[in-house]
Amino acid sequence: DIQMTQSPSTLSASVGDRVTITCRASQSISSWLAWYQQKPGKAPKLLIYKASSLESGVPSRFSGSGSGTEFTLTISSLQPDDFATYYCQQYNSYLGITFGQGTRLEIK
Amino acid sequence: QVQLQESGPGLVKPSETLSLTCAVSGYSISSGYYWGWIRQPPGKGLEWIGSIYHSGSTYYNPSLKSRVTISVDTSKNQFSLKLSSVTAADTAVYYCARQCDYGDYEGVFDYWGQGTLVTVSS
Repeated sequence: DIQMTQSPSTLSASVGDRVTITCRASQSISSWLAWYQQKPGKAPKLLIYKASSLESGVPSRFSGSGSGTEFTLTISSLQPDDFATYYCQQYNSYLGITFGQGTRLEIK
Repeated sequence: QVQLQESGPGLVKPSETLSLTCAVSGYSISSGYYWGWIRQPPGKGLEWIGSIYHSGSTYYNPSLKSRVTISVDTSKNQFSLKLSSVTAADTAVYYCARQCDYGDYEGVFDYWGQGTLVTVSS
């Protein structure tokens, strides 16, 4: 199966900061990567699909990039509502679906 | 608006079978999409369990495949999860979700249930 490794596991930042989270796949997944935001006690919320496409209704300060095995999620200017845990997720029609272990974004 | 709602026992004994159902409203399962189950142990990350197509074809996480069965009941617009021979390691919040099967959204979970905590304990 395909392993997804996120870094860092925890990120401390301040409101207004630009932050980047990285997700690496153990083999090429082309651009079949999504990013989700999860807040405590809630289901994950889709932010980015196909590596760089912004889901409808998601603020434009969120952006995704990458292809193959290395991907990034960038938040251009952190807002108080953005402090949450972020997960990447890959999709492969033969090998199934895997999530990264998550990156907790906390207030510095 | 598509809505999903998980239901089932919140407590299951070790070695028994965990059974959950996901009721879908606002969309007819028979119209398309995959429908999936994802779980999250307390304080840990997300793990995909498996998915079922509206036609009934399934695919599962290889690490759970021997214990998992997902089925669909289009007449009731719901799908179900059975996980056999459970242990404490299966304690988790279980989510059901709609999985896209087209274009750039392929493989993405766009609608999720609120999740239900299942504890495995005697």
